[in-house]
Amino acid sequence: DTAVSQTPKYLVTQMGNDKSIKCEQNLGHDTMYWYKQDSKKFLKIMFSYNNKELIINETVPNRFSPKSPDKAHLNLHINSLELGDSAVYFCASSQESSGGLGELFFGEGSRLTVL
Amino acid sequence: AQSVAQPEDQVNVAEGNPLTVKCTYSVSGNPYLFWYVQYPNRGLQFLLKYITGDNLVKGSYGFEAEFNKSQTSFHLKKPSALVSDSALYFCAVRGQTGANNLFFGTGTRLTVIP
Repeated sequence: DTAVSQTPKYLVTQMGNDKSIKCEQNLGHDTMYWYKQDSKKFLKIMFSYNNKELIINETVPNRFSPKSPDKAHLNLHINSLELGDSAVYFCASSQESSGGLGELFFGEGSRLTVL
Repeated sequence: AQSVAQPEDQVNVAEGNPLTVKCTYSVSGNPYLFWYVQYPNRGLQFLLKYITGDNLVKGSYGFEAEFNKSQTSFHLKKPSALVSDSALYFCAVRGQTGANNLFFGTGTRLTVIP
């Protein structure tokens, strides 16, 4: 079983469209994240949720909206896509309660290409 | 604020030779440090972490890292490189004061030459 799974793996779309990426973890972790990896492989945190509560919301355009229906899922919705949104988006999870400091487990990534 | 720096974009090493991938950190408070590896078109895989205790940390695939407080470094090492170790390596530091995300370095591409 895949620990952190993201869908779709590849997404090609036109500028101005709205798209969503889904993420699910079956590790029983209480915290989930979205990271963005740009073309130079630089990784930057976007959002973090702990038990469905938004913990971290870095400087990300309002067009990006995370949704956590339960602690095993964290979806990313992007409105009005722009060329600069092209990147690989990684979902991750970790267990933070009971002392925390756990490592993050990453999904395989979703490569978004905006034309 | 916390950050990590990986001074080398690229490291080349011959198969069978020891390898080192460098990382230095800057944190206020105790450093919680991690190494991850990324193979092409894959997600990041956890290798090892330093939280407290012994300065030499052993991890997956024969990798280890040495925490050096005086030099604020956390270099990744392996005694004998394999061609299959060729990948992108990221050093990372935990956020402080309740923030639970990782701040990543810019990555070092390791190429092991047969």
